[in-house]
Amino acid sequence: ETGVTQSPTHLIKTRGQQVTLRCSSQSGHNTVSWYQQALGQGPQFIFQYYREEENGRGNFPPRFSGLQFPNYSSELNVNALELDDSALYLCASSQNLVVDTQYFGPGTRLTVL
Amino acid sequence: AQKITQTQPGMFVQEKEAVTLDCTYDTSDPSYGLFWYKQPSSGEMIFLIYQGSYDQQNATEGRYSLNFQKARKSANLVISASQLGDSAMYFCATTIYSSNTGNQFYFGTGTSLTVIP
Repeated sequence: ETGVTQSPTHLIKTRGQQVTLRCSSQSGHNTVSWYQQALGQGPQFIFQYYREEENGRGNFPPRFSGLQFPNYSSELNVNALELDDSALYLCASSQNLVVDTQYFGPGTRLTVL
Repeated sequence: AQKITQTQPGMFVQEKEAVTLDCTYDTSDPSYGLFWYKQPSSGEMIFLIYQGSYDQQNATEGRYSLNFQKARKSANLVISASQLGDSAMYFCATTIYSSNTGNQFYFGTGTSLTVIP
């Protein structure tokens, strides 16, 4: 059984650009959540997808969007990048939609210059 | 409103001793889950322990136990027999589900634990 994987590991972009981050869920998991973790802070919930539909969203603007595919892999897209978007982006998958343990990937470190 | 509060930015513990990391939560929803995660300097978030709001008994996983006091809305993590490899950031988190907003997950600001040889 493979764990949660994310790509790329590191990414550098400039302000105004767009970025796509990818996540492959743990086998058998149909729910994926994305988080933003700024340096020295706890993760902030961006959104969750369940069976290809957005199921919950945190306090993030619409330029943060996502997709979940039939094989339960997912993408996080961020448009019009801002300097404050520099952070570690974590993806987590779980087996069930409701209250359930989430298993995290290693994260993607995004730097916006 | 802050859903998860961790009041200890940093903690030190002697190797082989036990340590308690504090966590309080704020929700009026009857159904919720409480989690503890460990984040080493490598950045990966490692699941440690889970407690459901309806669970009568405190959760335990090896050297980790969760001291769940529902009336006080606290979910403290107890690590017994600390090891040098336990040095890391520890995050308390909760998940709350509602039909309006779906699943919402909240993490605390974390506690940095240092185990002293």
